[in-house]
Amino acid sequence: GAVVSQHPSWVICKSGTSVKIECRSLDFQATTMFWYRQFPKQSLMLMATSNEGSKATYEQGVEKDKFLINHASLTLSTLTVTSAHPEDSSFYICSAANPTGPGKYFGPGTRLLVL
Amino acid sequence: AQTVTQSQPEMSVQEAETVTLSCTYDTSESNYYLFWYKQPPSRQMILVIRQEAYKQQNATENRFSVNFQKAAKSFSLKISDSQLGDTAMYFCAFMKQVANFGNEKLTFGTGTRLTIIP
Repeated sequence: GAVVSQHPSWVICKSGTSVKIECRSLDFQATTMFWYRQFPKQSLMLMATSNEGSKATYEQGVEKDKFLINHASLTLSTLTVTSAHPEDSSFYICSAANPTGPGKYFGPGTRLLVL
Repeated sequence: AQTVTQSQPEMSVQEAETVTLSCTYDTSESNYYLFWYKQPPSRQMILVIRQEAYKQQNATENRFSVNFQKAAKSFSLKISDSQLGDTAMYFCAFMKQVANFGNEKLTFGTGTRLTIIP
C-alpha cells in the first residue's frame, strides 16, 4: 500500500528556534496533504491543508505565520514551526490522499519537544 | 459543518471476546464516507474499515465489521475475537463525498481507548 513518511520522528529544540518537519509520499503523488496536531490522549486536530503549488489553507485559530507550510512538489510537504515555544510541544501528523480511493494515508508522526 | 461523536472514552474487554464501539455523526450531506481508524501505542494511524453512505450493505474486514444506520446517523464498529494487538485508540471519521475527494478533509471523533485484557 501507499506509504507516507515523516522526518524527523523526534525533535527537541530550544525555545525561539524554528523546526522543520517533512512529509513525503513515497510511492505516489499527493497534490494535497494535511497537517494535524495531536495532544496526549486527544483526537487529531486539523491545522491546515497543503496544496501543491499554491498556498495552504489554514483552519480557524491556526497562526499562519507561526506554522509555515510549503508544498513544493507532488511528493513533499513541509511544516515549519517558527519561533517555537514550549506550548508548541505536541505530536504532529501529516496525511496524504489515497490516489485511488477516498481514504487517507498517514505518516508515523513527529514528536516535538520545545524546551 | 459535520460533527462526529464517540461517547465511550474508554473500553476494555477480555481477549477473544467481542466488543462494539459506538459512533454517531451529524451532517446535512447525502453522500459521504465513514471510516474507522486505529492508533496503537506507536501512534501510527491505520485505516481499519470504510463505509460508503450509498451502500446499504455493512462493510466487513476480517474480524472487523460495522453497523451502519444511515437514518439514525450511527456507525458502530464491532471487533470479533479480540486480540491483544487490537489495543489502541479508535477514531471514527467522516468525509464528504466530492468529485475530487483527494482535497476533502476528514472530521474525526474524540476517540475510544480500547484495552484488550489477556
